[in-house]
Amino acid sequence: RKEVEQDPGPFNVPEGATVAFNCTYSNSASQSFFWYRQDCRKEPKLLMSVYSSGNEDGRFTAQLNRASQYISLLIRDSKLSDSATYLCVVNEAGRRALTFGSGTRLQVQP
Amino acid sequence: DTAVSQTPKYLVTQMGNDKSIKCEQNLGHDTMYWYKQDSKKFLKIMFSYNNKELIINETVPNRFSPKSPDKAHLNLHINSLELGDSAVYFCASSQGGRGRFDEQYFGPGTRLTVT
Repeated sequence: RKEVEQDPGPFNVPEGATVAFNCTYSNSASQSFFWYRQDCRKEPKLLMSVYSSGNEDGRFTAQLNRASQYISLLIRDSKLSDSATYLCVVNEAGRRALTFGSGTRLQVQP
Repeated sequence: DTAVSQTPKYLVTQMGNDKSIKCEQNLGHDTMYWYKQDSKKFLKIMFSYNNKELIINETVPNRFSPKSPDKAHLNLHINSLELGDSAVYFCASSQGGRGRFDEQYFGPGTRLTVT
C-alpha cells in the first residue's frame, strides 16, 4: 500500500468550475500536511499547508481529517492557469523529509 | 537571485559512467535534500543533510554518494550509472532545526538520461 494515495486523474474541467481532490495517507504518525503544485517539467512549489481546522487561501480550501487519514483540496472558480499536477504531501513526526503522493493532474479548459 | 540552483539542468550520459550534480541554496537554510522523480512522476526522498550532517539515507544504492562541503551546498555523485537511474533529480532546502518542519524550496531539477 502506498504511503500517500491520490487519484491520478486527469481531471478535465471547464473554466469557472469547482473541483475537489482527495488524498489518503497510511501513517497515523504523520504530523504535517501540504498541497504542492507542479507544472509540467518544473519543480514542485508549495501551494498551501493543511491544518486540522481547515484553511482557505483565496479560491483554494484545504481540509484535514485525522481520524480518517484524509486530506482534500477544493479549487473554486477554476482558471486556465490552475492547470497543473497537485501533489498531496505529508511529513511524519521526527522525520525531516516529505512523503509525496503521485499527484493528481488538473486540466482546465476554456 | 535564484533560491535553490542545480547544475547541470540536463545530463545525458552512457551506462557505466560516473557523474555529479551540484546544488546550492542562498536562503540560509539548515537542511538540504535530494529527491528522485521517476518516469511515473513519483517523487521520493533519497538523502537529507542538516548542517552538513547526514540525517536521512533512504534505501538508495551505494553508487549514489551525497557530499555536503558546507550547509549551502549538497552535491550528488553517482558511480557506474545504470539505465534505471534515468530520472529527474531535485534538490531542496528548508529552514528549521530538529522538531520543526518548514516549507521546502525545490531547485529546478536535473534531468538525467542514461543511454
